[in-house]
Amino acid sequence: DADVTQTPRNRITKTGKRIMLECSQTKGHDRMYWYRQDPGLGLRLIYYSFDVKDINKGEISDGYSVSRQAQAKFSLSLESAIPNQTALYFCATSDFRTTYNEQFFGPGTRLTVL
Amino acid sequence: AQSVAQPEDQVNVAEGNPLTVKCTYSVSGNPYLFWYVQYPNRGLQFLLKYITGDNLVKGSYGFEAEFNKSQTSFHLKKPSALVSDSALYFCAVRPMDFYNTDKLIFGTGTRLQVFP
Repeated sequence: DADVTQTPRNRITKTGKRIMLECSQTKGHDRMYWYRQDPGLGLRLIYYSFDVKDINKGEISDGYSVSRQAQAKFSLSLESAIPNQTALYFCATSDFRTTYNEQFFGPGTRLTVL
Repeated sequence: AQSVAQPEDQVNVAEGNPLTVKCTYSVSGNPYLFWYVQYPNRGLQFLLKYITGDNLVKGSYGFEAEFNKSQTSFHLKKPSALVSDSALYFCAVRPMDFYNTDKLIFGTGTRLQVFP
């Protein structure tokens, strides 16, 4: 089945370390997103990408960077992790060709920064 | 500021009873409206959406939602709850000025607990 996968699923790291979270999709979608989920805050958009050459900041991009290596791959990096970046991170995709289409989410990466 | 509100952190309902999970929004224009469900240790799954037309939309797993433009609400409903419906539910809105982006604004989530 066409799917959205995220690696790693869980990661514990220390303050100041560089971390990369990876997202891959086999849906053939052109649009990809990174969100973080915090209890009581819902999901907040970090970055989104319409295609390989189009990267845009979301509402909480400070402290994060992204790379769209191919249509199917979208990575999120924390250059120097800090404890308040401890959260559940989701990648999502959507298809420009299908108007009004919903987003499809990966299973999430639980990141803990000590 | 554009926002989505889910006023209840948790909703408790007995199995077999009807359930309602509330959502109101404050955005410009006529937005697209979505409900997603998150089961433990899983990503969000799409339940249903309202774009235009009939105010009552039907979705997956027997869920439906009613769009009310005057009250800017999009409440999720199910006539008869199942224990397996217990999960975290998110309302999301795509404002019209996000038309070409598919960007969504999410509510904070409502945890539904269905008791046997």
